[in-house]
Amino acid sequence: GAGVSQTPSNKVTEKGKYVELRCDPISGHTALYWYRQSLGQGPEFLIYFQGTGAADDSGLPNDRFFAVRPEGSVSTLKIQRTERGDSAVYLCASRPAPVTGELFFGEGSRLTVL
Amino acid sequence: QQPVQSPQAVILREGEDAVINCSSSKALYSVHWYRQKHGEAPVFLMILLKGGEQKGHDKISASFNEKKQQSSLYLTASQLSYSGTYFCGTERSTGNQFYFGTGTSLTVIP
Repeated sequence: GAGVSQTPSNKVTEKGKYVELRCDPISGHTALYWYRQSLGQGPEFLIYFQGTGAADDSGLPNDRFFAVRPEGSVSTLKIQRTERGDSAVYLCASRPAPVTGELFFGEGSRLTVL
Repeated sequence: QQPVQSPQAVILREGEDAVINCSSSKALYSVHWYRQKHGEAPVFLMILLKGGEQKGHDKISASFNEKKQQSSLYLTASQLSYSGTYFCGTERSTGNQFYFGTGTSLTVIP
C-alpha cells in the first residue's frame, strides 16, 4: 500500500470487552512499532516487531495486551477485558529495517472504552 | 527511559524564533524530530545520527550532542504552519525500542 493503514479508525466498546486493532504496514517494511497515545501525552512505546517476532514487548502494560504479526506484514494488537483506562489513540508505525531512518505512521485507531 | 523535553509549551508570534530541547538518560544512537498536529499522526522532520551533526531544511534545524545525550530543534522566523506538538524520538543502536519525548506544544500566532 501507499502508506501505513490502521483499522478501525474509531472503536467504541464497553468495559470488559475484547478488542482487536489492525495495522497494515508499508510493503517491505520489516520493522513495526505499536504506540499508545493519551490526550496531551507523547506516544508511549508498547511493542516492536522485527519480521514475525516480537523483538521487544517490554512496553505492554499488562497481560491483557498482546500483539501478533504472523506473516511478518500485518499486525494485530489485541486487548482483553478492556478497561476505561485503555481509552487512547493506538498508533502503528513501520520502517524498512530497525535503525534505518524515519518511522512512517498510520492515522491511528481511537479506542474509547465506556 | 522517556526523553524529557523543554519547554513544555511555547507561544510565538510569527517571525520569532524558538528552541526545543530533548534530553535522554541513556546513550543514544540517533535522535528523530516529529511534529504532530491535533488529530493527526506524527510527521517526520529530520533524523540526526551520533557524531554531533547538525541538520536543517528551510528554517528548521537541529543539533545532536551524543556526549551529553541531548538534542535541540531550532525554528527560525516561525510561520503559522509551525504550530503543533513537537516530539523528539530516541533510539539506541539495537533499535528495539524507539521512545518519544514528553512533547513541546508550540503555538504561532499572527
